Amino acid sequence: KAGVTQTPRYLIKTRGQQVTLSCSPISGHRSVSWYQQTPGQGLQFLFEYFSETQRNKGNFPGRFSGRQFSNSRSEMNVSTLELGDSALYLCASSPDRAITEAFFGQGTRLTVV
Amino acid sequence: AQSVTQLGSHVSVSEGALVLLRCNYSSSVPPYLFWYVQYPNQGLQLLLKYTSAATLVKGINGFEAEFKKSETSFHLTKPSAHMSDAAEYFCAVSEGGGSYIPTFGRGTSLIVHP
Repeated sequence: KAGVTQTPRYLIKTRGQQVTLSCSPISGHRSVSWYQQTPGQGLQFLFEYFSETQRNKGNFPGRFSGRQFSNSRSEMNVSTLELGDSALYLCASSPDRAITEAFFGQGTRLTVV
Repeated sequence: AQSVTQLGSHVSVSEGALVLLRCNYSSSVPPYLFWYVQYPNQGLQLLLKYTSAATLVKGINGFEAEFKKSETSFHLTKPSAHMSDAAEYFCAVSEGGGSYIPTFGRGTSLIVHP
């Protein structure tokens, strides 16, 4: 069974640009969560989607958005990039509504210059 | 509200020595508890989880953790450290049927000396 796939693995963007990251969950998993990981703040929850609906949202500005498609694949978008958005963005998928176990992808390393 | 505190941002052990990584949690309802490991430039991999069954939980790679409700702790142990155990370890708590989005600790970096 293939794991969680995140693309791209590495990305360099300029301040003010926007970026879209992609996550393909494990087949059959309907819940996809996104996290931002930085040395200073650790792992912070961005949002979670289940069956194309955003169920939970973390404390991030509106520049961070996401969506989920009917095949459970998810994308997150960051508009008007800031230097502080440089981070490892992790996607995790879970099979059901109650997240008893999250399977993580390898992440997308975003560098904003 | 739920929270996790991992004591010690770095833990250093010799190869073959006992590994003990500490985790204390706060939760208003019976929690689910997890330990994850992260290798450089990789995602998180689940080591073990507690979901209200046996209080002593065995995981992969020889790790285990014990849920102690009276101490609100879920410390991770391994009897004998391997060089390959060097990584970042994260403890996480979720509130099961409530706000089930896990909250992660800040992580503990395990350093293993030869």
